Order: sequence, then C-alpha cells, then structure tokens
Amino acid sequence: GQNIDQPTEMTATEGAIVQINCTYQTSGFNGLFWYQQHAGEAPTFLSYNVLDGLEEKGRFSSFLSRSKGYSYLLLKELQMKDSASYLCAAMDSNYQLIWGAGTKLIIKP
Amino acid sequence: GAVVSQHPSRVICKSGTSVKIECRSLDFQATTMFWYRQFPKQSLMLMATSNEGSKATYEQGVEKDKFLINHASLTLSTLTVTSAHPEDSSFYICSARSTKEDGFQETQYFGPGTRLLVL
Repeated sequence: GQNIDQPTEMTATEGAIVQINCTYQTSGFNGLFWYQQHAGEAPTFLSYNVLDGLEEKGRFSSFLSRSKGYSYLLLKELQMKDSASYLCAAMDSNYQLIWGAGTKLIIKP
Repeated sequence: GAVVSQHPSRVICKSGTSVKIECRSLDFQATTMFWYRQFPKQSLMLMATSNEGSKATYEQGVEKDKFLINHASLTLSTLTVTSAHPEDSSFYICSARSTKEDGFQETQYFGPGTRLLVL
C-alpha cells in the first residue's frame, strides 16, 4: 500500500533550527512536496523535490533521498509565525498526491 | 506561485438545502482540479479529482450524487453539496494543477478554502 509517515507534533524555540522528517512508500514516484498549513487556512506550497539532494529556499530547505524513501524539511531562524502544520505529500505514478497527516510545529519564545 | 480562488469563503445553510462552491485558477489553466475536505485537527481527505471536460473520479466512500462536481472549463470547477446535513459541515478546499505539453504535472496549488456550516 501507499503510506506517508511524519511526526505528529514537534516543539522548537524561536530562533532555533528544526528538521521535520517524512518517509514515504508509493506506487511509483514523481516527486515529494511540502506544504505549510496555518490553523483554519488552506495549505500553501513550500517546496518540491524530485531529484536527490537539498533544495534551499530562504529559511526553508528540503531534502530528498529516493533510495531511502525519505525527505526532510529544515526550518532555520524560527519565527513565531512558523507555528503551523507541515504536510508532506508524495506524488505517485498516477500523479496523485499521497498525503501525510501533517506535523504540528509549536514555536516557543 | 499560481493563484487559486474559492468562493464563498464561508457559508451557513439550513439542512436539506444545496450549496455550490466555486474554484477558479486565476493565472493558469488547470487541467486537473481536486476537491478536499478537512475536519478540525485532521488531515486533508481527497474527495474527488476532475479533469476538464470529463467526469470526476470520486474516492471510495464519497457519494457522487451528493457531491456534484463540474469542471466545465480550464479555469473553473464547482462542487455542489446537495441536500446538505449537519454532518457535511466541514472545511472544503480545492486545488488546481496544470499539465505541460510534455505531460509533466505541475505543482498543485490550493484555494483558500470554504467553511461550510449546516444548521
């Protein structure tokens, strides 16, 4: 079957760095997406990886290892506004997104 | 990124009535649109996938006669919740994706969501 695993909740301190891990198993693979979702709002696109390696975009970076079925989202210089749920989603061979349940990130001052 | 709008943002209706939600891609042509439902503190649940000009593909357990989807053009899809009941109260989110000429599937962008409350 198809499956996405990510931690349910993480806590970090303002100004610090946090890494949110995601492992996936899909029928075929066409890329890994990360989305941010604030409470009561729709998800917003953060990153897309289809090749192995690290993609850096400002304070956020995303890493992919296709051989390990593993990705992580790295958030640097955490700000209070980064408190949100972070959704990992893998695209399967039919171009459908398989969603993780999301990781709720709590930022403390 | 691409912009997807959704209307209305909030709707309150009486039990038994029908509600239509519109989803529009504003600056790109969406060959595929998706409708999701999300209950509080739960993950996104895909309801159906629609390709422009063809019938929607519904996920298992989603009643196609209750949740009518029309993807009439490359920029508009509608979801109609027919004979709404209180248990249909939820956050409904659409997303849209375009396809390049070489078949590559672009990133999926979300609308802002519609909060439905059925009394």
